[in-house]
Amino acid sequence: QSVLTQPPSASGPPGQRLTISCSGSNSNIGSNTVNWYQQLPGTAPKTLIYRNNQRPSGVPDRFSGSKSASSASLAISGLQSDDEADYYCASWDDSLNGWVFGGGTKLTVL
Amino acid sequence: QVQLVESGGGVVQPGKSLRLSCAASGFTFTNHPMHWVRQAPGKGLEWVAVISLDEKNKFYSDSVKGRFTISRDNSKKTLFLQMSSLRAEDTAVYYCAKDYSVSWYGGVDEWGQGTLVTVSS
Repeated sequence: QSVLTQPPSASGPPGQRLTISCSGSNSNIGSNTVNWYQQLPGTAPKTLIYRNNQRPSGVPDRFSGSKSASSASLAISGLQSDDEADYYCASWDDSLNGWVFGGGTKLTVL
Repeated sequence: QVQLVESGGGVVQPGKSLRLSCAASGFTFTNHPMHWVRQAPGKGLEWVAVISLDEKNKFYSDSVKGRFTISRDNSKKTLFLQMSSLRAEDTAVYYCAKDYSVSWYGGVDEWGQGTLVTVSS
């Protein structure tokens, strides 16, 4: 049972806009920033979003992040087959004094 | 470019110890906290530990507290994870990761390729 809650799966056709949610609490997302990671099959994770909505260089602007209260969202516009991957949210937790991850969302492009 | 290269993984018996290393390059190592994150086969990402710039602050997940020790050698730009009293549930790919900020609650922005640790008799 992950501290941050994500839907286990999401899907959409090419070109669609899709959102993945990440729900936490006051001790994590409610008090700290959120990061999002993409893990393509068989590869190491890659950082998509840091500090709620910042993209590292090289990450397409099709990916965007937002945060409100103790929840966060990752939006992917113009879905592409290359976007098929697992997506994870993460945040520092003040009560646990450690980082917590969501359980991950497996994205399928139909 | 940033490179994080893990080593030290392998097969180890339950109850034994193992030390992982991570050689860093392409950035100012002393300016960033460093993390270990693991992933059990077929499972999600699990944060393991983080160490501050100067080694004065270290934080661990409850699942490894008291058994694992994170450390760093800033002169050699190397991160370590000493793992003891290993259990079958510690079997995972272990990733070395760099924090983008100067504090340990910023978050990971760069990842290594990972090293596999298998705990089995």
